[in-house]
Amino acid sequence: DIQMTQSPSSLSASVGDRVTITCRASQPVGIYLNWYQQKPGKAPMVLIYAASNLQSGVPSRFSGSGSGTDFTLTITSLQPEDFATYSCQQTYNTPYTFGQGTKLDIK
Amino acid sequence: DVQLVQSGGVVVQPGGSVRLSCAASGFIFDDYTMHWVRQAPGKGLEWLSLISWSGGDTDYADFVRGRFSISRDNSKNSLYLQINSLRPEDSGFYYCAKDSSGYYFDYWGQGTLVTVSS
Repeated sequence: DIQMTQSPSSLSASVGDRVTITCRASQPVGIYLNWYQQKPGKAPMVLIYAASNLQSGVPSRFSGSGSGTDFTLTITSLQPEDFATYSCQQTYNTPYTFGQGTKLDIK
Repeated sequence: DVQLVQSGGVVVQPGGSVRLSCAASGFIFDDYTMHWVRQAPGKGLEWLSLISWSGGDTDYADFVRGRFSISRDNSKNSLYLQINSLRPEDSGFYYCAKDSSGYYFDYWGQGTLVTVSS
């Protein structure tokens, strides 16, 4: 199975900050890497698919990059509604493993 | 609008069984692969299983293979997950999710809480 490791596991930031979350795969996954946002008590929601493609309706302050084993999710100018948990997922092959999640909270 | 509406929460004794359901609307259900994902309390997301549009192909995470069974009824626009020999560590939220056909999950159900406890 492909292991997905995110860093950091938690992050404190302020409204207006720029934050970057990284995701590393235990073996190359090409660009089959997605990012999801999850708020407490809610289902996950896709933000970025295929490493760098912004899902329809997602604000442009979210962006993704990377290929192979190393990926990043960047949020520029944090908004209050962005404080949530972010998870990466590889869909290169099954099982479609997720990272452990990065909890972003308000400093 | 696309909707995935899941069945209500359940409490099951260890060793018991449960069948979760997910009713789809707002899209052509039998055009898409569907998935189940779970999340233990305070933990990360775990992919469990997928089923192809026709139901002819299924796949499972190794840690559920043999105990979990995914199925679908395209005539009812519904997805199911049968879980047998339940263990306390199976407790958590179970989500159904629609495959976008682009290797990501574009819609999710609201989740079903499964509690395994005596």
